[in-house]
Amino acid sequence: ETGVTQSPTHLIKTRGQQVTLRCSSQSGHNTVSWYQQALGQGPQFIFQYYREEENGRGNFPPRFSGLQFPNYSSELNVNALELDDSALYLCASSLGPLEGKLFFGSGTQLSVL
Amino acid sequence: RKEVEQDPGPFNVPEGATVAFNCTYSNSASQSFFWYRQDCRKEPKLLMSVYSSGNEDGRFTAQLNRASQYISLLIRDSKLSDSATYLCVVTVTSLYGNKLVFGAGTILRVKS
Repeated sequence: ETGVTQSPTHLIKTRGQQVTLRCSSQSGHNTVSWYQQALGQGPQFIFQYYREEENGRGNFPPRFSGLQFPNYSSELNVNALELDDSALYLCASSLGPLEGKLFFGSGTQLSVL
Repeated sequence: RKEVEQDPGPFNVPEGATVAFNCTYSNSASQSFFWYRQDCRKEPKLLMSVYSSGNEDGRFTAQLNRASQYISLLIRDSKLSDSATYLCVVTVTSLYGNKLVFGAGTILRVKS
C-alpha cells in the first residue's frame, strides 16, 4: 500500500463530456504527477503539481487541466472527451518535484464511448 | 524519436535464467535514471535507481552508460514472481519543469 488513493476506480463517459479524477497524496508528499497509460504502453506524463502550482507539462492539449489543493491532494480534469482519452489515469506523489521515487495510486480506468 | 526506448519484448525465459533488458534515452541532459516494475493491471513500483557506477540489489544489476545514453537491467536466477513489465524511466528537466519519462516497457514472462 502506497498511501496514494484515487477515485473513482472506473468511469464510463461519452464523447464530449467532461470528467474529474481525484487523487490523495501520501502523507508528507508535496508533489503530485499525473500520467495516462494506454493499453500496452508506458505511462505518459500529463503534468506535475508542486505546492499548488503546475511545475511541468507533457504533450497534452489544454483540455487536460489540473489543480492541487493546500493539503496536496489533486484533481485532473478533462474536457470535451475524445475516444482516444480512454486509458488508465495514474496519479503519483513524491517528496519533491525532482524526486525520482514516485508512489502511484491504483489508477482510474476511464472508458469513453 | 521517442525520449525513452526499450527492447520490445516479450522475453520468455525459464526459471533460473539470466535476462537483460536495454533502454536508450534521447536527451543528453537527463539526470536521473530508474527501473520500475509493473504487474498486470497494477500500478508501477520503483524497482531500483540507476547510478553512474552501476549498482546491484540482490539478483538485479543496473548499469548506466552516459556516453551512449544507454541503461540496462540484468536479472539473474529468474523467479516466477519476476514476471512483470519493466519500465525504464528517465528524468528530463526543462524550462517548464521536471518530469519523469517512462519507456513503453518490456514484458518478462518466467516459466517453470
